[in-house]
Amino acid sequence: KAGVTQTPRYLIKTRGQQVTLSCSPISGHRSVSWYQQTPGQGLQFLFEYFSETQRNKGNFPGRFSGRQFSNSRSEMNVSTLELGDSALYLCASSLEPLAGGWNEQFFGPGTRLTVL
Amino acid sequence: AQKVTQAQTEISVVEKEDVTLDCVYETRDTTYYLFWYKQPPSGELVFLIRRNSFDEQNEISGRYSWNFQKSTSSFNFTITASQVVDSAVYFCALPRKDKLIFGTGTRLQVFP
Repeated sequence: KAGVTQTPRYLIKTRGQQVTLSCSPISGHRSVSWYQQTPGQGLQFLFEYFSETQRNKGNFPGRFSGRQFSNSRSEMNVSTLELGDSALYLCASSLEPLAGGWNEQFFGPGTRLTVL
Repeated sequence: AQKVTQAQTEISVVEKEDVTLDCVYETRDTTYYLFWYKQPPSGELVFLIRRNSFDEQNEISGRYSWNFQKSTSSFNFTITASQVVDSAVYFCALPRKDKLIFGTGTRLQVFP
C-alpha cells in the first residue's frame, strides 16, 4: 500500500507570492491533517479535514487555507508569503479523524518551502 | 493543558550502545494515547508506536522498547544495541482531540 505522498517536495518562492501544496493520503484514509515544522516553533498543527470539511484549525493567520476533495486528496494554500513561512509542511492521513489517538496518523515526506 | 516535554535535546552514542529517550507528558484526561515518531534526515515522520493509557505493559519490538509509567507521566523509548541507521530526531506526541501535540524532539546521533 502506498504511503502518504506530497508534491512538490521542494519549493522556492519570493515574498508576496502564493503557493499551493498537495497531499494524497493513504488509500482508504479519509482524514488529512497538515502540520508546519520550523526550527523555532517545532511541529505545529495547521488544520484537519474530513469528508471535505475543515474540522479543526490551528493558530495560524488567514493566509493559510486548505481544502479536501471528494477523493480525500488535500491541498493547502499560503497567500502573500512571508519569510517566516519557510518551513517543512507535513501532511498526515488517518482512516478517520485522530479522535484523541483512537486512530493512528501517518505522515508524508513533507514539502520544504523556502521563501526568499 | 496538554503538554509534552522531551528534555534531551541531543544524544550521541557509539554503535551498539543502548540509549533511552525520555518523554514526560501532562494531560487532564483519564484515558489517553501517546505516540512516538522517528524523523530521519529525509524529513518524513515515521510512525513507531501508539499506546493507550490503560496498558502500562512494556512494549518490545525488535531492538525498540517502550516503558509507559502513568505514576510519573512518562513514556520512555529505549533502543538496544543502537545502529547508525537509528540516527534521527525522535518525537513523542500526545493527541488532543484531532491534533497531535508534539514534544520538541530528541536528536540521536549514533556514531560507528
